[in-house]
Amino acid sequence: SQQGEEDPQALSIQEGENATMNCSYKTSINNLQWYRQNSGRGLVHLILIRSNEREKHSGRLRVTLDTSKKSSSLLITASRAADTASYFCATDDSDTGRRALTFGSGTRLQVQP
Amino acid sequence: GAGVSQTPSNKVTEKGKYVELRCDPISGHTALYWYRQSLGQGPEFLIYFQGTGAADDSGLPNDRFFAVRPEGSVSTLKIQRTERGDSAVYLCASSLGGLSYNEQFFGPGTRLTVL
Repeated sequence: SQQGEEDPQALSIQEGENATMNCSYKTSINNLQWYRQNSGRGLVHLILIRSNEREKHSGRLRVTLDTSKKSSSLLITASRAADTASYFCATDDSDTGRRALTFGSGTRLQVQP
Repeated sequence: GAGVSQTPSNKVTEKGKYVELRCDPISGHTALYWYRQSLGQGPEFLIYFQGTGAADDSGLPNDRFFAVRPEGSVSTLKIQRTERGDSAVYLCASSLGGLSYNEQFFGPGTRLTVL
């Protein structure tokens, strides 16, 4: 079953603008990860943020985590047409120790050149 | 080999047939995961192997689905008596395993179409 929910479901922006995607989840977690997927195939790992971290940066990516609200956001700055893809958040479950990831339904980002 | 590989990349079969999907994890990765992704949705967990054993098979939808990893490396997902609802992209991922969490690396997936 899908745990996380991303919003918006779809986002269309112009090249150079920033894109912000949000994710909510339900259980307690050890980590939250963001993945990117092109054309419905392989997932590419973007960034992992641990439950004791509040913010993390990697290049043009900025991730925040609010464990009290069970939510995270992914910001892509200065977007490029090549950033067009679907973005998913994924969490583990620290209550059960389950290793499997639970994914949200994704945000489909379209960056117009 | 660089990443996780999966074969075939596409599989078309008829309702009621048996299919096998193969996953080659990254060398040295002891943990292997299978996920299924339907159109417009995020991946959903099926089964997790630590070494040769299935540590968590709670995501398998029913007893038509079965997976093996006999030597702790390559894994095969087997689907019996396929149904149209089984059509999806089947994704495999591997990680280093161990006690602390490790990033999961995903393969390109196998797109299964049941006619």
